[in-house]
Amino acid sequence: AQTVTQSQPEMSVQEAETVTLSCTYDTSESDYYLFWYKQPPSRQMILVIRQEAYKQQNATENRFSVNFQKAAKSFSLKISDSQLGDAAMYFCAYRRGGGSYIPTFGRGTSLIVHP
Amino acid sequence: DAGVTQSPTHLIKTRGQHVTLRCSPISGHKSVSWYQQVLGQGPQFIFQYYEKEERGRGNFPDRFSARQFPNYSSELNVNALLLGDSALYLCASSLEGQGSRKLFFGSGTQLSVL
Repeated sequence: AQTVTQSQPEMSVQEAETVTLSCTYDTSESDYYLFWYKQPPSRQMILVIRQEAYKQQNATENRFSVNFQKAAKSFSLKISDSQLGDAAMYFCAYRRGGGSYIPTFGRGTSLIVHP
Repeated sequence: DAGVTQSPTHLIKTRGQHVTLRCSPISGHKSVSWYQQVLGQGPQFIFQYYEKEERGRGNFPDRFSARQFPNYSSELNVNALLLGDSALYLCASSLEGQGSRKLFFGSGTQLSVL
């Protein structure tokens, strides 16, 4: 079974600085997708960034970027120029490709942004 | 356009009762999935429906059931509630049932079982 591990229960960062959230996963599949979701106090999960395993290039979305290390099964999220609105729970998620739909989420990392 | 809507937002039940949670997907989305998020953990997949057919089921007991209606809205039913069923129940919709498709989540239903 696939597992997703987020080893940092909580991280903090100063406004305007950079923070990296860690995620590792375990799978024997070669076709899969990785995601980072943000869950603010409103409880609504919001997709931050997505990475296809077959793509070597790391995904980037404005201030958010990932460091995808396929061999090491590592998928970290870097948030640059942190803003107060970035404060939330962040979940790393894995989904097998080939038509499978069942996602696996990590336990989450709580990000605190200090003004 | 409205996002994914879930009702009710909060619910309190007692052990042994049953509950029905409702989800309306984004207009045009044909796939709906359900997740259970226990406090302090990530969401756990319960069901996925696409075009009114079940496409995936997570590791949950038969007390959990769901269905999707012709308008693509969905219901999650839980029978014989246990204290451990207390959680945030999230619904997500997507255009198609493929795993690569972007999921749009609702704000969830907070279920408390006393």
